[in-house]
Amino acid sequence: EPEVTQTPSHQVTQMGQEVILRCVPISNHLYFYWYRQILGQKVEFLVSFYNNEISEKSEIFDDQFSVERPDGSNFTLKIRSTKLEDSAMYFCASRLAGVGGTQYFGPGTRLTVL
Amino acid sequence: KNEVEQSPQNLTAQEGEFITINCSYSVGISALHWLQQHPGGGIVSLFMLSSGKKKHGRLIATINIQEKHSSLHITASHPRDSAVYICAGPILETSGSRLTFGEGTQLTVNP
Repeated sequence: EPEVTQTPSHQVTQMGQEVILRCVPISNHLYFYWYRQILGQKVEFLVSFYNNEISEKSEIFDDQFSVERPDGSNFTLKIRSTKLEDSAMYFCASRLAGVGGTQYFGPGTRLTVL
Repeated sequence: KNEVEQSPQNLTAQEGEFITINCSYSVGISALHWLQQHPGGGIVSLFMLSSGKKKHGRLIATINIQEKHSSLHITASHPRDSAVYICAGPILETSGSRLTFGEGTQLTVNP
């Protein structure tokens, strides 16, 4: 069964460093998402991406964040200058076209900023 | 007020018990997801439903769109069902159908 994959599974970085989190969505999916979950809190939306552009972003997704689909398979989230409060689990998700279809989640990347 | 609210926050059951987790939402959504989050953090989609009822094994999900309420039932619960269960809905008014999430229900099933 096709699945969303994410790498790395765990990333440790120093405050102020840049990190890139990688996702490979399911191949025929058209909508892509990044969500994050700070330890002990609920999952929060960061950004959605469709047709090679951002379709929606949350207040969390400020100028320090960017997303890219550099080729036909990868979908990346870059944090330019990490802060302690960026420590969280980051989930990528993807879905087919159409309104409100099932979103399939990757296993997550645990980002720890020291 | 959260857009999606779940109850209870924590639930402890004995193996074999019937379990119900409730979800109410205050926003327009096109459908509702029930998700399972394992202790390691990974999220698995259990159901997406926009009306009526869906069943998969021992799991049953129901939704009442008019009342903006959904329930997840687990029959004959087992310790391996221990996880966090999250309801989430794609917001109708948003261009990308982003999900908004409940706080989650921590379920512990004891042998």
